[in-house]
Amino acid sequence: GAVVSQHPSRVICKSGTSVKIECRSLDFQATTMFWYRQFPKQSLMLMATSNEGSKATYEQGVEKDKFLINHASLTLSTLTVTSAHPEDSSFYICSARDVGRNPAYGYTFGSGTRLTVV
Amino acid sequence: GENVGLHLPTLSVQEGDNSIINCAYSNSASDYFIWYKQESGKGPQFIIDIRSNMDKRQGQRVTVLLNKTVKHLSLQIAATQPGDSAVYFCAENRANQAGTALIFGKGTTLSVSS
Repeated sequence: GAVVSQHPSRVICKSGTSVKIECRSLDFQATTMFWYRQFPKQSLMLMATSNEGSKATYEQGVEKDKFLINHASLTLSTLTVTSAHPEDSSFYICSARDVGRNPAYGYTFGSGTRLTVV
Repeated sequence: GENVGLHLPTLSVQEGDNSIINCAYSNSASDYFIWYKQESGKGPQFIIDIRSNMDKRQGQRVTVLLNKTVKHLSLQIAATQPGDSAVYFCAENRANQAGTALIFGKGTTLSVSS
């Protein structure tokens, strides 16, 4: 089945530094990838939609200069949290869509990255 | 704004009981819905999906019902087991500026006691 690998699974960084999270589709090509953020005991909130080769489309209220998304290939998208602050501490989850799958809306999720900013 | 909301934040059941988790959505144009299970510290796990041209879909021990008239979605779990304890989310496939994306509801915590 479709597999999405997300790395790292857990990261601790100092306030003011930047952190990069990778999301890879291992056995399919993902023309579209998505990034979500989840705070404790809350739902997944869509941050941005990333189409390969295009600039990411950010949801309202998400700072594009703070959350840099790159989707340069059909199997890799990265999320960089720039100048991280404690309030950026959260669980970040990526998803990739394989339009070649049946059903057509084949969404596959990564296992998430726990970011802690100290 | 429009949300995919849930009626109950928590549900406690006994092992062997049937569980019903509900979800209300507000975007009548959404054409596809998915139920996910999420265990602590993990990503969402696909349970079952349904297209908007269907009313019911059954899987192994799970059934999803879709009522488009009242924009309501439910997940039924038969013979609930302790391993079913988790947070359950419904998600709708909704159009956005970049195409379509999954928008998640608030979640229901299912607690199964033996």
